[in-house]
Amino acid sequence: DIQMTQSPSSLSASVGDRVTITCRASQSISNYLNWYQQKPGKAPKLLIYAASSLQSGVPSRFSGSGSGTDFIFTISSLQPEDFATYYCQQSYSTLRTFGQGTKVEIK
Amino acid sequence: EVQLVESGGGLVKPGGSLRLSCAASGFTFSSYNMNWVRQAPGKGLEWVSSISSSSSYIYYADSVKGRFTISRDNAKNSLYLQMNSLRAEDTAVYYCARVEGSGWYYIDYWGQGTLVTVSS
Repeated sequence: DIQMTQSPSSLSASVGDRVTITCRASQSISNYLNWYQQKPGKAPKLLIYAASSLQSGVPSRFSGSGSGTDFIFTISSLQPEDFATYYCQQSYSTLRTFGQGTKVEIK
Repeated sequence: EVQLVESGGGLVKPGGSLRLSCAASGFTFSSYNMNWVRQAPGKGLEWVSSISSSSSYIYYADSVKGRFTISRDNAKNSLYLQMNSLRAEDTAVYYCARVEGSGWYYIDYWGQGTLVTVSS
């Protein structure tokens, strides 16, 4: 199985900060990397697919990059509604796997 | 509007069985692959199982293989998860999820989830 490792597990940031989350795959997954946002008590929401493609309706402050095994998710200017947990997921293998999540908290 | 509505969750004893259902609407269900994803209380997301649009391809996480069975009824626009030999560690919110069809295989829609609690 492909293991997905996110870092950090949590971070504290202020409104307006630039936030960066890293996701590393245990083997190459090409660009088959997706990012989801989840708020407490809610289902996850797709933000980025194919490593860098912004899902329709998602604000442009969210972005993704990378290929192979190393990927980066960025929020260019953190907004109050962005405090949530973010997950990466690989869709390269038939056994899909998620990263452990990164909780973005208010500083 | 795409809607996925799960049902069938509840309290079950260790070793017991439960069948989850997901009613889909607002899209051509028979054209999409579907997933089950779960989330234990206070924990992260765990992919559980996938089924292709025509049920030709089925995959399971190692943690549930041999105990869970995914199926679908395209005539009824419904997805199912039969869960047998349940363990305490299967306690989680179970989400039904649609997989987009362009070949990147990301999840574009999720249900609201149904809670399964395995406890004596």
